[in-house]
Amino acid sequence: GAGVSQSPSNKVTEKGKDVELRCDPISGHTALYWYRQSLGQGLEFLIYFQGNSAPDKSGLPSDRFSAERTGGSVSTLTIQRTQQEDSAVYLCASSLQLNYGYTFGSGTRLTVV
Amino acid sequence: GQNIDQPTEMTATEGAIVQINCTYQTSGFNGLFWYQQHAGEAPTFLSYNVLDGLEEKGRFSSFLSRSKGYSYLLLKELQMKDSASYLCAVTDSNYQLIWGAGTKLIIKP
Repeated sequence: GAGVSQSPSNKVTEKGKDVELRCDPISGHTALYWYRQSLGQGLEFLIYFQGNSAPDKSGLPSDRFSAERTGGSVSTLTIQRTQQEDSAVYLCASSLQLNYGYTFGSGTRLTVV
Repeated sequence: GQNIDQPTEMTATEGAIVQINCTYQTSGFNGLFWYQQHAGEAPTFLSYNVLDGLEEKGRFSSFLSRSKGYSYLLLKELQMKDSASYLCAVTDSNYQLIWGAGTKLIIKP
């Protein structure tokens, strides 16, 4: 597609429920990144994919968080048993290769109530 | 550890020039990026430096000194729409992008 697409744009969920966030990168971009940004804060790295593999998962906050990417394209970030501290904007970005400029999606605003 | 430092907030006047500094300590270096982020929006790419020197792009310029671990973003002829956060990010030896917390730039008439 023309840009990085994320869905849903907004998600309100009850504490303890599971949520799945989707990222559709720019066609042909091999690198895909997930970040989290709390209100007024900087970007918190979660995970990145080079193709379908995730060389660095060190940013995932806990074992409730997981991500996968299939077919070198769409990625999903899953948060199990959501907690209120998970509330944030989850940003996805893709790039043609590692160390190229990122293009960010518009994010998913997650609110856990 | 890896660290990116930039001022938390800066204020400047419409039509003036402002310089936003960024210093970094990372394990290796494979390039430095500047991004602009308006409130409530995703970051957008501004510039990329991998060699020492100044890269000019319209009203925006970015400078890099690798020996000093230092970069700055220079914004000229400031406009009200330039009010945003400016994020400095460095790619380390593993090609992981390390982000600064951002500098909130406030433009006053």
